Amino acid sequence: DGGITQSPKYLFRKEGQNVTLSCEQNLNHDAMYWYRQDPGQGLRLIYYSQIVNDFQKGDIAEGYSVSREKKESFPLTVTSAQKNPTAFYLCASSWGRQNTGELFFGEGSRLTVL
Amino acid sequence: QQQVKQSPQSLIVQKGGISIINCAYENTAFDYFPWYQQFPGKGPALLIAIRPDVSEKKEGRFTISFNKSAKQFSLHIMDSQPGDSATYFCAASRDTNAGKSTFGDGTTLTVKP
Repeated sequence: DGGITQSPKYLFRKEGQNVTLSCEQNLNHDAMYWYRQDPGQGLRLIYYSQIVNDFQKGDIAEGYSVSREKKESFPLTVTSAQKNPTAFYLCASSWGRQNTGELFFGEGSRLTVL
Repeated sequence: QQQVKQSPQSLIVQKGGISIINCAYENTAFDYFPWYQQFPGKGPALLIAIRPDVSEKKEGRFTISFNKSAKQFSLHIMDSQPGDSATYFCAASRDTNAGKSTFGDGTTLTVKP
């Protein structure tokens, strides 16, 4: 089945540690995205990539980093510089520049800072 | 500056009733307006979407009504069922950068049996 796989589903981190969230898609989509979701708030865009080896900052990129070395993979690193990293992180993909606008989401990774 | 405002924040409806969720946007360049449904612990999934060249789109029990002049659109769920209990997000984007959607804050719908 085609889809987006995020791992791990749950992650606990001590303050000062970097963590990397994995996102893999087999939909052959060009574009991939990372969103952050906090209770009672909408999804906020962290980073997005419309093509391999290129990515752009979203609205809340500070304290995060990404890479896009392969079309199917878009890992997100939450660095120690992120002041409030506890959140639900969602990876998404879409067809890219000619897309219909639909985003396909993974099941999310919940990060808790202890 | 929030570009998409969604209301209400929460909604309780009896089984069989009509659920109505509203969204208002500011950017007139938006030309794609989807609604996503999210169950607890899961990622959102596209429910229904509309473009501004039509005023209404219906898919089964779900209808989007779109008012371009008022810059508002709404989701109507007819014959609401307990299985519809979820969080609903409206969103808006420009087709040229369609994946960079702006989301509303979400509405938690509870349908009571």
